[in-house]
Amino acid sequence: QITLKESGPTLVKPTQTLTLTCSFSGFSLSTSGVAVGWIRQPPGKALEWLALIYWDDDKRYSPSLKRRLTITKDTSKNQVVLTMTNLDPVDTATYYCAHLPAADTGWNWFDPWGQGTLVIVSS
Amino acid sequence: QSVLTQPPSVSGAPGQRVTISCTGSSSNIGATYAVHWYQQLPGTAPKLLIYGNRNRPSGVPDRFSGSKSGTSASLAITGLQAEDEADYYCQSYDSSLSAWVFGGGTKLTVL
Repeated sequence: QITLKESGPTLVKPTQTLTLTCSFSGFSLSTSGVAVGWIRQPPGKALEWLALIYWDDDKRYSPSLKRRLTITKDTSKNQVVLTMTNLDPVDTATYYCAHLPAADTGWNWFDPWGQGTLVIVSS
Repeated sequence: QSVLTQPPSVSGAPGQRVTISCTGSSSNIGATYAVHWYQQLPGTAPKLLIYGNRNRPSGVPDRFSGSKSGTSASLAITGLQAEDEADYYCQSYDSSLSAWVFGGGTKLTVL
């Protein structure tokens, strides 16, 4: 059974850097084709893909947020870390990490998802 | 504004059939990339409902079905039940953006 859980601060001040950790079990991020992605959802709004890291350390970022995001993995700890710089109140959202089964690029889907962690950006 | 367009809301009475559309373009759905659907119950994380345009994960009732044609895709729900009341999102990949993209979401209300 694959499970993922996000952790990180609930409250962050504007201009600060956010670091979120996705801890997972039930799969290995060294398995060919597998990936872990981050998605966020502002309160009452739609889902937005942020970043993704593949088993071979290939990293992909949302074009609109690319300059502010860094995604890394620690295969031995079964963790993926997302950092976002220069936080703004509009970054207030629930942040999810999700597993992507092996598939051709463009055919990937997110399953399962973690429970999400709410991040509030406010002074 | 989302790359994939969904109606903000749909509704139906118990037992009825409803469909939710997801319209894209030639750089995503029309480029033969797969469409996937997620169900998000109130206060919970999204759950995969349909993958690869029309495939149901284990445990998803066959009341849910997906289809794709051209630059659009659809999710159909038959035999509507109160427990189906949720937000539904479509997702695909966009080659112009080199990004995974979601629809704006559709709120299903069971009357």
